[in-house]
Amino acid sequence: GAGVSQSPSNKVTEKGKDVELRCDPISGHTALYWYRQRLGQGLEFLIYFQGNSAPDKSGLPSDRFSAERTGESVSTLTIQRTQQEDSAVYLCASSLSDGWQPAYEQYFGPGTRLTVT
Amino acid sequence: GQQVMQIPQYQHVQEGEDFTTYCNSSTTLSNIQWYKQRPGGHPVFLIQLVKSGEVKKQKRLTFQFGEAKKNSSLHITATQTTDVGTYFCAGFGSGTYKYIFGTGTRLKVLA
Repeated sequence: GAGVSQSPSNKVTEKGKDVELRCDPISGHTALYWYRQRLGQGLEFLIYFQGNSAPDKSGLPSDRFSAERTGESVSTLTIQRTQQEDSAVYLCASSLSDGWQPAYEQYFGPGTRLTVT
Repeated sequence: GQQVMQIPQYQHVQEGEDFTTYCNSSTTLSNIQWYKQRPGGHPVFLIQLVKSGEVKKQKRLTFQFGEAKKNSSLHITATQTTDVGTYFCAGFGSGTYKYIFGTGTRLKVLA
C-alpha cells in the first residue's frame, strides 16, 4: 500500500514569508509526528497528534510554528515569517497507536527540504 | 528533560570489520527503537526492544537493551558497504507518548 507522502519535496522561500508543509499519513494510522532534521543532525521532535486528542506541541521551537491535523488524515505544518535558521528537512511520520502508549514503528515520509534565503 | 545520547558520532570501518553504536538515556525507557537512515533518505525502522536485558538479532545485526532500561546497543558483524548510513536510537520514556531520538552514529564502510 501507499506509504507516508509529503509535499512539496523541496521548498525555497525568502526570509519573512510563510510556508505550509503537508503530510499524508498511512491510512488507519492514528498517530502522526513532525520532526525537524538540520543538515548532518539528528531528529528534533516538533509535534505529535493522536486521534482526536489535543496535540502535544511541546517541541515547537517558537510561536511561528503551528500544525493542524484533520481527524486521522492529512496534517499541515505552517511556519510563519520564516527565518534562515528554519532551513532543514521536515519529516513526518505516522504509526498505529493504542492510546497514550504508542509502541509501534514509525513510518517516515520522504521529507520536505526547506531552504530559507 | 529527557536526553538520549549516542556514541560514537562517526565511525569509519573497513569492510568486514565489526561495528557497534551505543545509546544512553538520562531516564529509564519504556522501550527503544532503532532506525537506519541512508544518505539522502529518511529513517527506516529496524527493531524495537521492550524488555529489560532483551537481545534481538537480525542476520548480522544484534540489538541489546540494558538491564536498567537506560541504554542500548547495536552491533553489526562483518560490515558490508550496504550498511552505510546513520543509525538512530529512539527512546520512549515512561509516562510519555513521544519518542526522543538519539544524536545518531554515522557509519562509513570502506571497501
